[in-house]
Amino acid sequence: GDQVEQSPSALSLHEGTGSALRCNFTTTMRAVQWFRKNSRGSLINLFYLASGTKENGRLKSAFDSKERYSTLHIRDAQLEDSGTYFCAAEHTNTGKLTFGDGTVLTVKP
Amino acid sequence: DAGVTQTPRHEVAEKGQTIILKCEPVSGHNDLFWYRQTKIQGLELLSYFRSKSLMEDGGAFKDRFKAEMLNSSFSTLKIQPTEPKDSAVYLCASSLRDTLYFGEGSRLIVV
Repeated sequence: GDQVEQSPSALSLHEGTGSALRCNFTTTMRAVQWFRKNSRGSLINLFYLASGTKENGRLKSAFDSKERYSTLHIRDAQLEDSGTYFCAAEHTNTGKLTFGDGTVLTVKP
Repeated sequence: DAGVTQTPRHEVAEKGQTIILKCEPVSGHNDLFWYRQTKIQGLELLSYFRSKSLMEDGGAFKDRFKAEMLNSSFSTLKIQPTEPKDSAVYLCASSLRDTLYFGEGSRLIVV
């Protein structure tokens, strides 16, 4: 079965508001990475976490290996934040990546 | 259908050597990506091709890294000269629309 469940699949925000994306894992993962797909279709790294939290501007991510989840918080959303966001988890033993299905974020004026 | 095929699976190189990694994308896929995976940085984009044209070259990796796509079914990533900090897993991925299909990766160790 799926080992990474990403939610929501789609999210609509008004400018200036915020929300959170979440990935739940069915097994223990050693690290998680969050990406955003850019306009050319490349996955651009946002965060890489083996534990704890990281913050960069209006984005903040947390990873709890024991509780098997990771979150990506967006605050003060801007129009240019619109896009598709993915989480990817590293399996503890192999390091292989399993991706979530993605969240399509739409920021409206 | 065959997935993304990468060779070699493992490579040990001495510092200063030239290494060429190879990738065959899924047949019919237009997009091909090279990523580097390390325990410190996770997955980092090296290069991106669309229909054989270089769309992104990974900025910080321009210096010693050169990816080429000679035809729609084959791509290479050359690292010249290699340095110990290049030790990582190099992943190739292809896609037609949204879904990325990754190869098994080439594990490079530079000593």
